[in-house]
Amino acid sequence: GAGVSQSPSNKVTEKGKDVELRCDPISGHTALYWYRQSLGQGLEFLIYFQGNSAPDKSGLPSDRFSAERTGGSVSTLTIQRTQQEDSAVYLCASSLGGSAQETQYFGPGTRLLVL
Amino acid sequence: GDSVTQMEGPVTLSEEAFLTINCTYTATGYPSLFWYVQYPGEGLQLLLKATKADDKGSNKGFEATYRKETTSFHLEKGSVQVSDSAVYFCALRGLSGGSYIPTFGRGTSLIVHP
Repeated sequence: GAGVSQSPSNKVTEKGKDVELRCDPISGHTALYWYRQSLGQGLEFLIYFQGNSAPDKSGLPSDRFSAERTGGSVSTLTIQRTQQEDSAVYLCASSLGGSAQETQYFGPGTRLLVL
Repeated sequence: GDSVTQMEGPVTLSEEAFLTINCTYTATGYPSLFWYVQYPGEGLQLLLKATKADDKGSNKGFEATYRKETTSFHLEKGSVQVSDSAVYFCALRGLSGGSYIPTFGRGTSLIVHP
C-alpha cells in the first residue's frame, strides 16, 4: 500500500520568503509527526498531531514555524520569513495511533535550502 | 526532559565482524525503545523495538535488549554484511504532558567493507 508521501522533495528558497511543506500520511493513521534533520544532527522533534489537534507544540523552534492538519489527514508545515539556519531535511511520519508502542512510518523528506 | 545518547560514528567494520552500537537513555516512567535504520537514499524505517524491561527486539539478525537497570538498549549483530551499511537511530517514546513524544538519538553511521 501507499506509504507516507511528502512534497516537494526539494525546495530552494531565498531568505525571508515563506515556504509550505506538505505531508500525506498513511490512510487510517491518526497520529502524524514532523521532524527536522540537520547535517550531523539527529532528528529534532517539531510537532505531533493526534487527529487534527496538536497536543504538543513545544518542539517548534520559533514562532516562524507553524503546522496544521485538516480532516485528520494531510498536514502542512509552514515556515515564515525563512532563515539560512532553517536549511535541513524535514521529515514527516505517521502511526496508527499515539501510544508509546506505535511504530512510526517515515516519508522520504523535503530537503529545504535557504539561500 | 527525555534524552537518547548514541555512540559517535562512523563505525567501520569488515564484513562478518561483530557489531555493537551503544545507546543509553534518560526518561521518566517506562518508555518504549526503538532502533530505526536509514539506508543510503532511503527514508527511516523501523528495525526493531522493545516495549518493556527485559524485552528483546530482533530483526534481520540484529538484536537489542531493554535494560532498565542500566537504561540501555544496545544494538548488536553477530556478523555484519556490506548491505548493513546505513545510519542507525536509537529512539524512545515516553509520556510527556499526556502525550507519547518521540525522542531520537543523533544516529550512528555504520560502514561495512567487503
